[in-house]
Amino acid sequence: EAGVAQSPRYKIIEKRQSVAFWCNPISGHATLYWYQQILGQGPKLLIQFQNNGVVDDSQLPKDRFSAERLKGVDSTLKIQPAKLEDSAVYLCASSRAGDGYGYTFGSGTRLTVV
Amino acid sequence: SQQGEEDPQALSIQEGENATMNCSYKTSINNLQWYRQNSGRGLVHLILIRSNEREKHSGRLRVTLDTSKKSSSLLITASRAADTASYFCATIMTTDSWGKLQFGAGTQVVVTP
Repeated sequence: EAGVAQSPRYKIIEKRQSVAFWCNPISGHATLYWYQQILGQGPKLLIQFQNNGVVDDSQLPKDRFSAERLKGVDSTLKIQPAKLEDSAVYLCASSRAGDGYGYTFGSGTRLTVV
Repeated sequence: SQQGEEDPQALSIQEGENATMNCSYKTSINNLQWYRQNSGRGLVHLILIRSNEREKHSGRLRVTLDTSKKSSSLLITASRAADTASYFCATIMTTDSWGKLQFGAGTQVVVTP
C-alpha cells in the first residue's frame, strides 16, 4: 500500500509571499488531516476533512490559511500571506474512517519563512 | 493547550539500556497512541492502547496506561542507536467525534553506541 504523499519536501519563501502544499492520501482513506509542527513542539491539527467536507478547522488561522480537498481525494493547504511564525513542518495524515485508528502520516513539508 | 505532556523532555542513554518516557493527559480518552519521529521526517505509528487496556507489547516496546492517573508510559528495552528519535504520545478524547489526535510536546531520545 502506497503511503501518504506530500510535496514539496522543502520550501523557503519571504514573508508576505504565498505558498501551497499538496497531499495525496492513501487510496480509500476518507479522512484527511493537516497538522502544523513548529520546531520543538508536537503537531497541532489545523484542519480535518471527512471526504470533501470540513469537520474541524477550529485552529486554522482563516485570515491567511485555506485548504481544500478536491473530490474527496487530494488536498491543498495554502498560506497567503506568510508570516515568520508560519515556519514549521506541515504534516498531512489520512485514516480510513476518522474513528481514531489507522493513522498514516506523510513525510511533511518543511517551510521556512525569511 | 496540548492534551498530552511528555516527561522527560530529553533522554540520553547508551546502547543496551532501557528508555522510559511518560505521558500525562487531561481529559478522558478513547485511546492513546505513541509515535516516533526521526529528525526531519514524518511520524511513524508505534503502538495504540485502548482506554480499557492496561498494558501492550510490541517487539521491544511496552506501553502501560493508567486511566485513573491519566498517564501512560513507553518503555523501549535494549535500546539501539537507531532508536534515536523524538517520541510523541497522542490521544483521542472521548468527546471527539472525528478521531482528532492531540499530541504532546515529545521526548527527545538519544542513544549513543
